Amino acid sequence: DAKTTQPPSMDCAEGRAANLPCNHSTISGNEYVYWYRQIHSQGPQYIIHGLKNNETNEMASLIITEDRKSSTLILPHATLRDTAVYYCIVRAYTNAGKSTFGDGTTLTVKP
Amino acid sequence: DTEVTQTPKHLVMGMTNKKSLKCEQHMGHRAMYWYKQKAKKPPELMFVYSYEKLSINESVPSRFSPECPNSSLLNLHLHALQPEDSALYLCASSRGGSDTQYFGPGTRLTVL
Repeated sequence: DAKTTQPPSMDCAEGRAANLPCNHSTISGNEYVYWYRQIHSQGPQYIIHGLKNNETNEMASLIITEDRKSSTLILPHATLRDTAVYYCIVRAYTNAGKSTFGDGTTLTVKP
Repeated sequence: DTEVTQTPKHLVMGMTNKKSLKCEQHMGHRAMYWYKQKAKKPPELMFVYSYEKLSINESVPSRFSPECPNSSLLNLHLHALQPEDSALYLCASSRGGSDTQYFGPGTRLTVL
């Protein structure tokens, strides 16, 4: 699986959009970008994933650059409950379920 | 419903004890996983079961023994653990080995 690079920490004001970047410059054509988050001491929660098109669901939007070497997770209106560690994972569809988590970004939403 | 349940939530055991962690899902998923997470570190994959057969073992010590009795259940048997094995143990499941994984809340294990 391709390696991902994320900033270790970010702050965001409550009610504002949180934009979390992820670099995956060695991504292969068959690798998806997945985003999970982990609120303190809980299990990781799936957020969204995509291959090359931008994706949106009820939780967030995922913007993938045209060259697919980086992506941004957007939480449109961050709340205090969005404070968590956010993990960007790149995984091939055919890798039998192996997921390698990077160090993630600790997002702190402040009132 | 994307719920994966894990029991117990907390477990304290001595180095000579034998204990088991249990994971259950009723989503019809055919792949199940065990991860280990140390404090302030990302989860690390331990085992993958696909269609009730062990498909990946990430060189985990034999004191950890996984078992998949049926497609809904996954156990992790623990024996002769060391204090450094203290961690959050996470279970996950997915429709197939390559699909989105859904995680349980984890079991916080302390080895004395």
